Amino acid sequence: DQQVKQNSPSLSVQEGRISILNCDYTNSMFDYFLWYKKYPAEGPTFLISISSIKDKNEDGRFTVFLNKSAKHLSLHIVPSQPGDSAVYFCAAYTGNQFYFGTGTSLTVIP
Amino acid sequence: GAVVSQHPSWVICKSGTSVKIECRSLDFQATTMFWYRQFPKQSLMLMATSNEGSKATYEQGVEKDKFLINHASLTLSTLTVTSAHPEDSSFYICSARVQNEKLFFGSGTQLSVL
Repeated sequence: DQQVKQNSPSLSVQEGRISILNCDYTNSMFDYFLWYKKYPAEGPTFLISISSIKDKNEDGRFTVFLNKSAKHLSLHIVPSQPGDSAVYFCAAYTGNQFYFGTGTSLTVIP
Repeated sequence: GAVVSQHPSWVICKSGTSVKIECRSLDFQATTMFWYRQFPKQSLMLMATSNEGSKATYEQGVEKDKFLINHASLTLSTLTVTSAHPEDSSFYICSARVQNEKLFFGSGTQLSVL
């Protein structure tokens, strides 16, 4: 049973515009959420995180929003750059366990 | 951030042979490391949790005799795929937990079994 879902397998955005990546989860016990970025044949790299007690966290061009009532997480990238083209995974954490979504492949078109 | 080094990055082997993958934490001590497997267009799937000085904890459906994990020190965990078969071909990734919540990943190992 997939507890963390990314329903959009791919997304294309024009350079300079906003990229919005979405993530839904089912387990209300998740207390920490993270976004990872992954290039082909490389391990994921940590991007940004948010605690369940917050609804927004911003780091430069990256902002993560958390809507606990809707069990929804989103990552906003603005402005999008070609170097942002990668697969983005959302992850949720509770206890001693991380749960990952299936990833969204972002393509930023120059 | 913390650095996790994984080696080798790419390995091709014949069916029936064993392959060892190393995962090192370079600038911190990792009492717990995790091993993931990723098939194309699928999520990262946790295989096992590696604890320094004790036996690894395997996820349901993961054969412990096939995927041998050794966490001999606070900076090194190894995954050995024994008697590899073509269906074991996958991308294997290790990670270490830092600050109790954040994971830092190795660069991954692409295993191709002929």
